[in-house]
Amino acid sequence: AQSVTQLGSHVSVSEGALVLLRCNYSSSVPPYLFWYVQYPNQGLQLLLKYTTGATLVKGINGFEAEFKKSETSFHLTKPSAHMSDAAEYFCAVSDGYNKLIFGAGTRLAVHP
Amino acid sequence: DVKVTQSSRYLVKRTGEKVFLECVQDMDHENMFWYRQDPGLGLRLIYFSYDVKMKEKGDIPEGYSVSREKKERFSLILESASTNQTSMYLCASSLQAYGYTFGSGTRLTVV
Repeated sequence: AQSVTQLGSHVSVSEGALVLLRCNYSSSVPPYLFWYVQYPNQGLQLLLKYTTGATLVKGINGFEAEFKKSETSFHLTKPSAHMSDAAEYFCAVSDGYNKLIFGAGTRLAVHP
Repeated sequence: DVKVTQSSRYLVKRTGEKVFLECVQDMDHENMFWYRQDPGLGLRLIYFSYDVKMKEKGDIPEGYSVSREKKERFSLILESASTNQTSMYLCASSLQAYGYTFGSGTRLTVV
């Protein structure tokens, strides 16, 4: 069965610092992996996804993630945090059919 | 871009009322989903549908039902609203396993 673990429910960084949000997955099939962002009182917005091909995936707002099969990881990074990046971030893996399995989320705080 | 529209952003209902949450998508997606989101619990799947008139229970279906009479519309029904159903409700649609598009959410308060 598929599952997702996001390490750290809260992450705090300074503006301009590296953002690293960790995601590990378990999947019995070749995984499709996703990162979503949620701003306050809004729905979830797709940041990026990995299906097949290049393991380094670039998304919106300067984020990227690297699929590492040997480590079963799909960590999200951004070189330089902006105040506007403060939000909740969700990692997800496809169940191999039609559903996504979500992690519990990581709330990112960015301070001046 | 695919758009998923939830009819209400904020809703206040009384205990015992029958509540309808509506969701419409405009890109002919096969799959539609209803989640609830609560602090510390992440997203929990209530029901999903992979075709018209088809529905499958998710992880927490108790107290809810759904209706999908047309491909573009997926309704969540709270048969008799209770205070423990106060939550953020998120609708999503997808084409196969290529990721979801979410609506903006409905924040429901049951008093």
